Amino acid sequence: EAGVTQFPSHSVIEKGQTVTLRCDPISGHDNLYWYRRVMGKEIKFLLHFVKESKQDESGMPNNRFLAERTGGTYSTLKVQPAELEDSGVYFCASSQRSRAGAYNEQFFGPGTRLTVL
Amino acid sequence: QKEVEQDPGPLSVPEGAIVSLNCTYSNSAFQYFMWYRQYSRKGPELLMYTYSSGNKEDGRFTAQVDKSSKYISLFIRDSQPSDSATYLCAIMDSSYKLIFGSGTRLLVRP
Repeated sequence: EAGVTQFPSHSVIEKGQTVTLRCDPISGHDNLYWYRRVMGKEIKFLLHFVKESKQDESGMPNNRFLAERTGGTYSTLKVQPAELEDSGVYFCASSQRSRAGAYNEQFFGPGTRLTVL
Repeated sequence: QKEVEQDPGPLSVPEGAIVSLNCTYSNSAFQYFMWYRQYSRKGPELLMYTYSSGNKEDGRFTAQVDKSSKYISLFIRDSQPSDSATYLCAIMDSSYKLIFGSGTRLLVRP
């Protein structure tokens, strides 16, 4: 079974440009999460999709970030315009349908390393 | 105050040593506690999770949660060079999102 995949693995852009990151979750996983690790900091939650709906976007830093999950399959995270502080590693994770109060393992992709110059 | 605190290390030990990794957390309502392992240029991979207080053992790894002191630990017995990685503690909050510690870099020397 294929794991979570992310594309590209590395992106280098200039400040002010636009970048779109893609995540393909494990097939059949309803839950999709985006996390980010900026230099020297811990991995932090950005947002959570359940199928195509945004369940929680409390971690999105500002309106330069737009996440979509059309059709409830893959997801994209667009940064427009990119700023220097957006540099970091963006992780995607997916999990099966949640049962109330139960634990569902989140499986992580390898991440996209974004460098904004 | 961060919700999860973790010493970043690095921690360097000889092969065969017992390793102890620790985190503290602030919210007593948390119920699920995880340890992830992350190799360089890879995503975090779940090692173990624990529900509420107590111990959980899986081979050379033991996870321990003490809710009274808000302290979580991971012990690695007979450490191997292949255990060299960054170890991340994480807590799942009530909305299923993970709150991570900063990670501890571990180096096991042959």
